[in-house]
Amino acid sequence: AQTVTQSQPEMSVQEAETVTLSCTYDTSESDYYLFWYKQPPSRQMILVIRQEAYKQQNATENRFSVNFQKAAKSFSLKISDSQLGDAAMYFCAYRTGTASKLTFGTGTRLQVTL
Amino acid sequence: DGGITQSPKYLFRKEGQNVTLSCEQNLNHDAMYWYRQDPGQGLRLIYYSQIVNDFQKGDIAEGYSVSREKKESFPLTVTSAQKNPTAFYLCASSTDRGRGWRQPQHFGDGTRLSIL
Repeated sequence: AQTVTQSQPEMSVQEAETVTLSCTYDTSESDYYLFWYKQPPSRQMILVIRQEAYKQQNATENRFSVNFQKAAKSFSLKISDSQLGDAAMYFCAYRTGTASKLTFGTGTRLQVTL
Repeated sequence: DGGITQSPKYLFRKEGQNVTLSCEQNLNHDAMYWYRQDPGQGLRLIYYSQIVNDFQKGDIAEGYSVSREKKESFPLTVTSAQKNPTAFYLCASSTDRGRGWRQPQHFGDGTRLSIL
């Protein structure tokens, strides 16, 4: 079965500090895309960053970056200079060319403290 | 602005009643999806549709039904056969043609369904 594992149910970071959320996945496909979505208390799902499996270079979007280790099937999210607005549930997900659905992990709740 | 509209925001179901959740998109996306979100779990796929008048079951389709008569609309009916319908339901859409599967799915704001 294709799965996504987020082993940290909750994380906490101080404002302006850096935090890393972990994600591992399991797929037999060679062509796939990885995503991190953010779900704030409003429950809206917001795309944070995405990574193509064929690209070795790690994706970055402003304060958000990933550490993609294809051989280890690991896709962690690093948030730099954390802000109060970063507090949310973060979901790791992937999608393959042969399956239309996104496969999601169970999420990591990030708390940002002053 | 283009986006996905889900309605209603909150919905209550009585025993033995069918209820329908609305999902409309004006993004001109071919594919639409319904996900269910329970506390402590990620999103699970209920149904999806890649073209009009065609749809496929996802991982947890039992007790649900859908239709896709128009490209813009993908309503979900929660039937009385779904014994535990209390959850948060999210609709999504994406461009799936060709290499379009690489594009992210866009989500609506969700509908919270509860049992009366």
